[in-house]
Amino acid sequence: GENVEQHPSTLSVQEGDSAVIKCTYSDSASNYFPWYKQELGKRPQLIIDIRSNVGEKKDQRIAVTLNKTAKHFSLHITETQPEDSAVYFCAATPGTGFQKLVFGTGTRLLVSP
Amino acid sequence: SAVISQKPSRDICQRGTSLTIQCQVDSQVTMMFWYRQQPGQSLTLIATANQGSEATYESGFVIDKFPISRPNLTFSTLTVSNMSPEDSSIYLCSCCRDPTRDEQFFGPGTRLTVL
Repeated sequence: GENVEQHPSTLSVQEGDSAVIKCTYSDSASNYFPWYKQELGKRPQLIIDIRSNVGEKKDQRIAVTLNKTAKHFSLHITETQPEDSAVYFCAATPGTGFQKLVFGTGTRLLVSP
Repeated sequence: SAVISQKPSRDICQRGTSLTIQCQVDSQVTMMFWYRQQPGQSLTLIATANQGSEATYESGFVIDKFPISRPNLTFSTLTVSNMSPEDSSIYLCSCCRDPTRDEQFFGPGTRLTVL
């Protein structure tokens, strides 16, 4: 089945710096790749997603890139702010499982003022 | 996005007992999912709750341990049966509002502690 790996497990940056989180997936038929942000004690919140027919998508300070050939996708956060501090999860929808999600292991992002 | 609520928000239970978690959505949805998030870990799909048919369980999860009901298009329950301390986790339901789109939104979760 689908396996999603995520790196790094922790990431510390200074406010204003950029942050990049990377994920790889194993199922070449996977076609949907969302990113979730989870603050302490809260539910995961969908922040951006990308589908397999698109290479890049941006939404203000966040962007996601997808390389289908290499089977990896990345989250880019620019001009980081302390409120970006959270755990970020990537996920993939396996080709054989409509709408179900397989999650990466998570990245704890800490943005220091 | 769909508005999703869960009950209870948290509970402390004794070993060997069972707990039923409810998930309510503010509109009819085709797919509902139940995930487990162990302390400090990622989310793992337990099962997909299908309206009008049996739930579909992922590898490592069985119906006897995690029976699921889906009586209508806005509601589902997950029961954690014969609990042990290893079942201490956050249990989250999620759904996709539009069957033609993939976006999933999560409920607030139920934090379960088993003593």
